[in-house]
Amino acid sequence: DIQMTQSPSTLSASVGDRVTISCRASQSITDWLAWYQQRPGEPPKLLIYRASRLEGGVPFRFSGSGSGTEFTLTISNLQPDDFATYYCQHYIGSPITFGQGTRLDIK
Amino acid sequence: QVQLVESGGGVVQPGRSLRLSCAASGFAFSTYGMHWVRQAPGKGLEWVALISDDANDRYYADSVKGRFTISRDNSKSTVSLEMNGLGPEDTALYYCVKSQSVVAGSYDSWGRGTLVIVSS
Repeated sequence: DIQMTQSPSTLSASVGDRVTISCRASQSITDWLAWYQQRPGEPPKLLIYRASRLEGGVPFRFSGSGSGTEFTLTISNLQPDDFATYYCQHYIGSPITFGQGTRLDIK
Repeated sequence: QVQLVESGGGVVQPGRSLRLSCAASGFAFSTYGMHWVRQAPGKGLEWVALISDDANDRYYADSVKGRFTISRDNSKSTVSLEMNGLGPEDTALYYCVKSQSVVAGSYDSWGRGTLVIVSS
């Protein structure tokens, strides 16, 4: 099974900051990677798919990069709504796995 | 607008069974893979099962293999999850999710979830 490891587990930042979340796969997943945002009490929301493609309606301050085993989610100009938990997920095949999540807190 | 509405959750005793259902609307249901993803209280996301658009392919997480069965009815735009031999480790919010492809894919639509609590 492919393991997905996110870092850091928690991250503190301020409105207007730029932050980066990393996701590492235990073996190559080419670009079959998605990023989700989950706010408390809400279902996850797709932000990025195929590692770098922005889902419709998602602000351009979100961007994704990487391929193979190393991936990054970058959020520029943090807004109050961005403070949430973020998950990466591979979908190259079964079993599909998620990273453990990165909680982004207000500093 | 895509809508996924789960039902069937509740409190169940260990060892018992439960059937979850998901009613889909707003998209061509028969052309997309459908998945179940769960989230234990205060924990992360765990993929549970997937079924391809034509129901010919079904895959399960090791943690539920042999106990859970995913099915779909394309004529009714519904997907179900039959859960047998439930244990406390199955306590979670169960989400019905739509894949962006016919089998596996990123999830562009999520339901709000149905809560399953396994407790005596």
